[in-house]
Amino acid sequence: GAGVSQSPSNKVTEKGKDVELRCDPISGHTALYWYRQSLGQGLEFLIYFQGNSAPDKSGLPSDRFSAERTGGSVSTLTIQRTQQEDSAVYLCASTGGVNEKLFFGSGTQLSVL
Amino acid sequence: AQRVTQPEKLLSVFKGAPVELKCNYSYSGSPELFWYVQYSRQRLQLLLRHISRESIKGFTADLNKGETSFHLKKPFAQEEDSAMYYCALLYNNNDMRFGAGTRLTVKP
Repeated sequence: GAGVSQSPSNKVTEKGKDVELRCDPISGHTALYWYRQSLGQGLEFLIYFQGNSAPDKSGLPSDRFSAERTGGSVSTLTIQRTQQEDSAVYLCASTGGVNEKLFFGSGTQLSVL
Repeated sequence: AQRVTQPEKLLSVFKGAPVELKCNYSYSGSPELFWYVQYSRQRLQLLLRHISRESIKGFTADLNKGETSFHLKKPFAQEEDSAMYYCALLYNNNDMRFGAGTRLTVKP
């Protein structure tokens, strides 16, 4: 595709359920980021993948959050036992090289009831 | 720790007035700084980066290492400038961290 694709665009789930959010980066981009965007918290870093290096997971808020990137391309962010405070827009971005700009997806709006 | 601070969550100005969105950073290395913007119902996108020393849509930002700041400025704000603005710091080659953002509203 021409840009970063995220799915689903909207997800409504019940408290305690697990959710998976998907990100398809721009083909050939080596770096992939997950951010969480919420009112009052701005753009919060979650995790960063760079090539075959070990991911930087320092932004994951709890052990309920995990992410993987298979084959250096598609990434999945998993939230287990969702809580209401997990409600936010989850953004994915990719970039092709050092100092290159980030290309963002349109995000997944997660609502935990 | 590397950190980006945007002290104003909300900023409101009248059309034609100057606007300055503040950004301060904390980083021990040589910083690479950016401003990203998100207009209503659009994706987050790059506005400008300090290494390019460019002016985009009338906006400029100067890196001040002494004050560790990268404030975004425009001499005459327009209504279409209303958006969410994020300052970002790139460190360790490709690790990008954002500030909390400032919502700019330009009133007619």
